[in-house]
Amino acid sequence: GESVGLHLPTLSVQEGDNSIINCAYSNSASDYFIWYKQESGKGPQFIIDIRSNMDKRQGQRVTVLLNKTVKHLSLQIAATQPGDSAVYFCAENRSGGSYIPTFGRGTSLIVHP
Amino acid sequence: EAQVTQNPRYLITVTGKKLTVTCSQNMNHEYMSWYRQDPGLGLRQIYYSMNVEVTDKGDVPEGYKVSRKEKRNFPLILESPSPNQTSLYFCASSSSAGLGEKLFFGSGTQLSVL
Repeated sequence: GESVGLHLPTLSVQEGDNSIINCAYSNSASDYFIWYKQESGKGPQFIIDIRSNMDKRQGQRVTVLLNKTVKHLSLQIAATQPGDSAVYFCAENRSGGSYIPTFGRGTSLIVHP
Repeated sequence: EAQVTQNPRYLITVTGKKLTVTCSQNMNHEYMSWYRQDPGLGLRQIYYSMNVEVTDKGDVPEGYKVSRKEKRNFPLILESPSPNQTSLYFCASSSSAGLGEKLFFGSGTQLSVL
C-alpha cells in the first residue's frame, strides 16, 4: 500500500528559531492532510489540517504548506518554544476511500533553551 | 471537557489470558478506531467503527476483536494475547467517519504480554 514518510527522524533547534518538519506522501488521491503532535506519555493531538484545494494554511505559530506537484507537506513552527518539543507526524486520508488514514512515522523535535 | 478516555493506562498480562481495553468518548462521535504504536512503525489501525453495530478491519486486525454496542464505547478485546501484541494502544474518535475530519485520541494504554 502507499505510505506517508518523513525526511528527518530528529530535528534539534534553539528556542526562538523557526522549525520546519517535512513529510512526503505517495498517494496522489489523498485530499486531506493533518499534522499531529505527540508529547511524551500522551496521545497524539491535532495541530492543523489542510485540504487539497489549498496550498497553505496558517494557525497560531504554525503553518502547513502543501505541494501537490511533488507530494510534499511541511509544518512550520514559528519562534519554537521548549513546550514544542514532541514527536510530530503527518497523516493523509482520501475522501471516499478507505477509512484507514495513513500516518507517517514521526519526527522528533527537540528544542534547546 | 471533550475527551476520549481509555482504561487501563498500563496493563501487564500473560500469554493467553483474555483482556479488554475500554474506550469511551463524550463527543457523540460516529467514528471510532483503535491503533497500535510500535517503534519505527508508527501508528497502525487495528479496527474502526463508522457507527453503532458497524465495525471493520484496519491494517492489523489479527488477534483483536472489537464491538460497538453503544455510540460512546468501543472496547478492544484480546481473546488470547501473545507477546507480539505488546505495544502502545490508542483509541480515537472523529465526528465524521474519519474521512475528512481530525481524530481525537485517548491517552494510550501500554500493554505488556509476558
